[in-house]
Amino acid sequence: GNSVTQMEGPVTLSEEAFLTINCTYTATGYPSLFWYVQYPGEGLQLLLKATKADDKGSNKGFEATYRKETTSFHLEKGSVQVSDSAVYFCALSSRGGNKLTFGTGTQLKVEL
Amino acid sequence: DAGVIQSPRHEVTEMGQEVTLRCKPISGHDYLFWYRQTMMRGLELLIYFNNNVPIDDSGMPEDRFSAKMPNASFSTLKIQPSEPRDSAVYFCASTTSSGPTDTQYFGPGTRLTVL
Repeated sequence: GNSVTQMEGPVTLSEEAFLTINCTYTATGYPSLFWYVQYPGEGLQLLLKATKADDKGSNKGFEATYRKETTSFHLEKGSVQVSDSAVYFCALSSRGGNKLTFGTGTQLKVEL
Repeated sequence: DAGVIQSPRHEVTEMGQEVTLRCKPISGHDYLFWYRQTMMRGLELLIYFNNNVPIDDSGMPEDRFSAKMPNASFSTLKIQPSEPRDSAVYFCASTTSSGPTDTQYFGPGTRLTVL
């Protein structure tokens, strides 16, 4: 079956530091890959997505590249801000499917 | 356009009581999902509907849980009787088959505490 593994948190960084949150997946076929973000007290929001190998999803300074050879979709941002403090979820869906499989989430805390 | 609406935002109840959580999806969306989020198990899909019909309820933990979608603009998740281990945040999400159905829009969640 499908599964997503992401690095455990919490991750604590200083403002303007470089961020990497690792995500690897197991899936049959060619899934679509996602990063969702959950700000405190809110529901999840789509941050970015990639639907095929070598695609790069990007939004709000965050990027992730779909690497089929390493089955990975690591999230990166060059300079984090305090407002980026949230929980980040990696997820996948099977091609043409409606169900999302989520990782366990990684909490990011950015300090001044 | 209003997002996904859930009510109540917080619910505190005693073990054995019936709990009903409510969700209004985004207008025009034909898929609706119920998730449960806990520290121990993360985010779990409980059930999802397409055009008001339950498609996959394999994530519903046991018979105490039931979900309905009587029309396109309303769904309920009911727990009867509730137990302390049901304490969690319950999210509703919706999406449309007119777009990528794996891009889901989440409500703010209902935080349930069962004493």
